[in-house]
Amino acid sequence: DQQVKQNSPSLSVQEGRISILNCDYTNSMFDYFLWYKKYPAEGPTFLISISSIKDKNEDGRFTVFLNKSAKHLSLHIVPSQPGDSAVYFCAADGTGNQFYFGTGTSLTVIP
Amino acid sequence: DGGITQSPKYLFRKEGQNVTLSCEQNLNHDAMYWYRQDPGQGLRLIYYSQIVNDFQKGDIAEGYSVSREKKESFPLTVTSAQKNPTAFYLCASKWADTQYFGPGTRLTVL
Repeated sequence: DQQVKQNSPSLSVQEGRISILNCDYTNSMFDYFLWYKKYPAEGPTFLISISSIKDKNEDGRFTVFLNKSAKHLSLHIVPSQPGDSAVYFCAADGTGNQFYFGTGTSLTVIP
Repeated sequence: DGGITQSPKYLFRKEGQNVTLSCEQNLNHDAMYWYRQDPGQGLRLIYYSQIVNDFQKGDIAEGYSVSREKKESFPLTVTSAQKNPTAFYLCASKWADTQYFGPGTRLTVL
């Protein structure tokens, strides 16, 4: 059973606009969440994270929002750039031993 | 130049052969992980190790084996018992609350 879900396999956005990637989780014990960016045939690169004691974390153009009651997090990229085109994975850590990954959302930023 | 290395980038093997994928890190991280990625799927955990000489099965350990004799090294063996070994394999190590990934090895079994 998938404990972390990314229901949108793909997203297309115009350059300069906002990209919003969504992620849902089912396990209320998860207390730390991360977003990774991945290019084809490469390893994922850590992007941004958020602890469950916060509801927002910002790093430059990237902001992650956490809604614990809805078990939902989102990644906002503003403004979107063509170099942001990649697959984005969200991940959750609950036990400290392993992460649970979503299936990824492929973002295409159109110039 | 610190990081996680996986070699080779591409690997081809005949069906029925065991193959070992290399993962080395010089980050002094204690925990290391092996994941498998298939098209349209997320990263699925094969094995992980929190310390030297100790490792735990992940969600899809069948047909795989690992060893952790040194802190820097966590090789993964794909055995002939693994029914669908063709995939992209990712190794990671963990520091604090974040996992850091190597570049991956694409294994193709012919």
